[in-house]
Amino acid sequence: DGGITQSPKYLFRKEGQNVTLSCEQNLNHDAMYWYRQDPGQGLRLIYYSQIVNDFQKGDIAEGYSVSREKKESFPLTVTSAQKNPTAFYLCASRRAPPPLDTEAFFGQGTRLTVV
Amino acid sequence: QKEVEQNSGPLSVPEGAIASLNCTYSDRGSQSFFWYRQYSGKSPELIMFIYSNGDKEDGRFTAQLNKASQYVSLLIRDSQPSDSATYLCAARPSNSGNTGKLIFGQGTTLQVKP
Repeated sequence: DGGITQSPKYLFRKEGQNVTLSCEQNLNHDAMYWYRQDPGQGLRLIYYSQIVNDFQKGDIAEGYSVSREKKESFPLTVTSAQKNPTAFYLCASRRAPPPLDTEAFFGQGTRLTVV
Repeated sequence: QKEVEQNSGPLSVPEGAIASLNCTYSDRGSQSFFWYRQYSGKSPELIMFIYSNGDKEDGRFTAQLNKASQYVSLLIRDSQPSDSATYLCAARPSNSGNTGKLIFGQGTTLQVKP
């Protein structure tokens, strides 16, 4: 089945640690996105990539880094510079850019907690 | 002022009633609007999108857009307990180009009581 797979589902990070969240898609989508969701809040865009080897900062990129070495994969690293990383992280992908406005498919999310 | 604003609720309706969810946006140039449903602890799923002024119907769901008032709404007819979830409104900002970026509201929690 085609879809987006995020792993792990739950992740615990110690203070000062970098952690990497995985996002893999087998939908052959060009565009991929990382969002962060805090309790009672909507989604905020961290980074996005429209093509392999290219990515752009979103609205809250500080303390995060990404790579896009393969079309299928868009991992997110939460660095120690991110002071408040506890949140629900969602990866999404889209087949084609607007104005075709194809649906964005979301992964199941990774819940990151600082311990 | 938030760019996309929703009442966080909870909005409580009895089973079988019409649930009305509202959303306002500040970017007058926004052209596309999306409604997502998110169950607790799960990822959002797209219910509907709307571009043009007026109504768009899909089954029990109707999206309404009024660009002059910068207002989007989602009506759910014959509400079921399974509709209980958080509903996220999203707008594509006018400066998003072909990036597919969306600005999300904080979501409205809907509770449908049997």
